[in-house]
Amino acid sequence: DSGVTQTPKHLITATGQRVTLRCSPRSGDLSVYWYQQSLDQGLQFLIQYYNGEERAKGNILERFSAQQFPDLHSELNLSSLELGDSALYFCASSPGLAGAITGELFFGEGSRLTVL
Amino acid sequence: AQSVTQLGSHVSVSEGALVLLRCNYSSSVPPYLFWYVQYPNQGLQLLLKYTSAATLVKGINGFEAEFKKSETSFHLTKPSAHMSDAAEYFCAVRLRNNAGNMLTFGGGTRLMVKP
Repeated sequence: DSGVTQTPKHLITATGQRVTLRCSPRSGDLSVYWYQQSLDQGLQFLIQYYNGEERAKGNILERFSAQQFPDLHSELNLSSLELGDSALYFCASSPGLAGAITGELFFGEGSRLTVL
Repeated sequence: AQSVTQLGSHVSVSEGALVLLRCNYSSSVPPYLFWYVQYPNQGLQLLLKYTSAATLVKGINGFEAEFKKSETSFHLTKPSAHMSDAAEYFCAVRLRNNAGNMLTFGGGTRLMVKP
């Protein structure tokens, strides 16, 4: 158990809909990262937040947005969903900004999104 | 742009055999390198990391990896495979001068261990 909690574990929805994925980082971790894992694109970095502020942005679509709240949990909002958005969405956390340097990314078990 | 390539999306070995999972990176500056493992229905777990100290890095579960700058490689090995090693393995890279903090992952290699 990494200490990172993601909900829901599974989600099935229709095209055009909007969903929210939630992540609670490990206790004390300030950085939260979102990754998308799909068969054709592999594991893609989406966005990182540190202590409530956006710190780095990757291949995140404009239809997607995220935020980190004062209690440090994070939400990833996916809107106008398309079939291609079906994927496993991972949240990871680390103690600070240097998480990626030290490799201390702790991953949750992911939220599997299926868009029909 | 930095990238990482894992040769072989699937590798099958017999129990007790050598495990070799290949990873090559593209970067003119030696990056930070990582191997993660993903067991079924679980998140990614750090196996080991290279951050400029010893070029031979030992990780958990008997795995190790060697950083070879001349070959831009960071292959993962284990002398003797165990059934419990069956999982997907990801190589990841972060440039030292990357202002962002994200890791770039390879496509993954699924390791199958035959009895």
